[in-house]
Amino acid sequence: KAGVTQTPRYLIKTRGQQVTLSCSPISGHRSVSWYQQTPGQGLQFLFEYFSETQRNKGNFPGRFSGRQFSNSRSEMNVSTLELGDSALYLCASSIYSGTGLGEQYFGPGTRLTVT
Amino acid sequence: KQEVTQIPAALSVPEGENLVLNCSFTDSAIYNLQWFRQDPGKGLTSLLLIQSSQREQTSGRLNASLDKSSGRSTLYIAASQPGDSATYLCAVRGTNAGKSTFGDGTTLTVKP
Repeated sequence: KAGVTQTPRYLIKTRGQQVTLSCSPISGHRSVSWYQQTPGQGLQFLFEYFSETQRNKGNFPGRFSGRQFSNSRSEMNVSTLELGDSALYLCASSIYSGTGLGEQYFGPGTRLTVT
Repeated sequence: KQEVTQIPAALSVPEGENLVLNCSFTDSAIYNLQWFRQDPGKGLTSLLLIQSSQREQTSGRLNASLDKSSGRSTLYIAASQPGDSATYLCAVRGTNAGKSTFGDGTTLTVKP
């Protein structure tokens, strides 16, 4: 079974631009979560989607948004990029079982550099 | 607000040693706890998942325990190897089930 895939793997953008990152979860996983990882702040939760609905959102400004499609693929968008948005963006997928949310599986991440 | 702390921040041991990594959390109302390893510049690899109703999980040389009442989890690594060198992260998923809170990790170096 294929793992979580994220595209692109690396991205360089200029301040003020916007960017869209993509995540394809493991087949059968309907929950997708996004995280931002920086050396100073560690891993921080951005948002989580399940069946095309945002269920949870972290403490990030409205410039960060996301969506999930009917095939469970998810995208996140960052508008008006700032230097501080430079980070590794990680996506994780989970499956719901009879007992609820299971293990999180992470993709390799997208390394975003804002200049 | 859930806070997760991992101690120590860094650990260096000789090959073959048994070791314990610690993870503590402030809110015991958790859904599950998961241990990951992360190699430099890479994504996270899941090691063990412990549901809130469980006390421990084992996989090969790894054993993770969970004590919800005291807000602690430990990851025991037996007979460490240089390939175990990585950053180990614990993540607590609260009863608001979609959100996980991560610790800052323990960076482990196993010297040959």
